Amino acid sequence: DAGVIQSPRHEVTEMGQEVTLRCKPISGHNSLFWYRQTMMRGLELLIYFNNNVPIDDSGMPEDRFSAKMPNASFSTLKIQPSEPRDSAVYFCASSFGQGNYNSPLHFGNGTRLTVT
Amino acid sequence: QQQVKQSPQSLIVQKGGISIINCAYENTAFDYFPWYQQFPGKGPALLIAIRPDVSEKKEGRFTISFNKSAKQFSLHIMDSQPGDSATYFCAASFSGNTPLVFGKGTRLSVIA
Repeated sequence: DAGVIQSPRHEVTEMGQEVTLRCKPISGHNSLFWYRQTMMRGLELLIYFNNNVPIDDSGMPEDRFSAKMPNASFSTLKIQPSEPRDSAVYFCASSFGQGNYNSPLHFGNGTRLTVT
Repeated sequence: QQQVKQSPQSLIVQKGGISIINCAYENTAFDYFPWYQQFPGKGPALLIAIRPDVSEKKEGRFTISFNKSAKQFSLHIMDSQPGDSATYFCAASFSGNTPLVFGKGTRLSVIA
């Protein structure tokens, strides 16, 4: 079990550029979550999918953010155009179900995004 | 009602001491309370979890104490070690129905 795999690990880009973050969940998990971590706000849920279908995107901060899950083994989070305030660590997590006592949430190691 | 409030924001403990981190929640429907541990450059990883039908769960040096009436739960780390230095997050959810809501984290430093 390779765990949740995220790429890239680090991304540095200029304001206005498009950024795409990628995630491969654990095989067999049917829920995928995108979180953003900052010092000020902690871990914020941006969006989550169940069986590849977006269930709740109310945490997506603006229309500049979009996420897709074209199949059970891949998801992307896109920011277009990027802004300096988007600088944060973005985590992908997966589980079977919503993440509970019998199937906890597993996180990837994150993508550290810096927008200059 | 979806918030989980965590304190303190940071904590410094001597090696061998007890580290205590507290969390409070509002939603009485929550029935799953995990703690996650995060080391620098890594994602959070499940440390220990509890259901509200028990008041305490212990795994090695780590113990969750749960007070349903007060809507509070806490993490106790006994005999704290420098290797325990990390950020700890409490979380809560209504399992099977809602995703986890996380506290803002506690940065623990264990000094020799």
